Amino acid sequence: DAGVTQSPTHLIKTRGQQVTLRCSPKSGHDTVSWYQQALGQGPQFIFQYYEEEERQRGNFPDRFSGHQFPNYSSELNVNALLLGDSALYLCASSFPLSPSTDTQYFGPGTRLTVL
Amino acid sequence: AQTVTQSQPEMSVQEAETVTLSCTYDTSESDYYLFWYKQPPSRQMILVIRQEAYKQQNATENRFSVNFQKAAKSFSLKISDSQLGDAAMYFCAYRSAESNTGKLIFGQGTTLQVKP
Repeated sequence: DAGVTQSPTHLIKTRGQQVTLRCSPKSGHDTVSWYQQALGQGPQFIFQYYEEEERQRGNFPDRFSGHQFPNYSSELNVNALLLGDSALYLCASSFPLSPSTDTQYFGPGTRLTVL
Repeated sequence: AQTVTQSQPEMSVQEAETVTLSCTYDTSESDYYLFWYKQPPSRQMILVIRQEAYKQQNATENRFSVNFQKAAKSFSLKISDSQLGDAAMYFCAYRSAESNTGKLIFGQGTTLQVKP
């Protein structure tokens, strides 16, 4: 059973550029959440996608946008990159049959470095 | 807004001994879920244990158990018979049961070192 996968593993960009990160959810999962984890910090919720729509958004600017495809995979796009966007970006998938069962499973993350 | 606080940036334990990691949280909600996640140097976040706030019984998973004190808003993790593979960063996380989005709110993390 394939778990959550993310690509690429590492990415180096320069300020002002745009980046796209990709996530494939665990088999059977239809909900994808994205988190940003700065070095030495806990993950911060960016947004969640369900049925191809953004269902909830954290405190992140509009430079952060996303998309979910019919096969439930998801992309995170960041425009006009800033040095402060350097972080580990984690994708988590879940299947919310009910709040008591929808555990989030995390991918290995994409390490983004902005120079 | 809910917050999660882990006041121990680093902890160490001798192999085979027991260690307790602390976590406190703040919320005005009565129904929620609490989690401990483990993040090894490989970066993959792994669920260790989960607690439903409406359950008085503390959750246990093999060598891992929690001490859930709802009135005190405290949720500590006890690791018994510590193993070298337990070395990782541990995150406490909160999720509202009143929202259907499953947004997790994480603490700052505690780095656990296991000494042979």
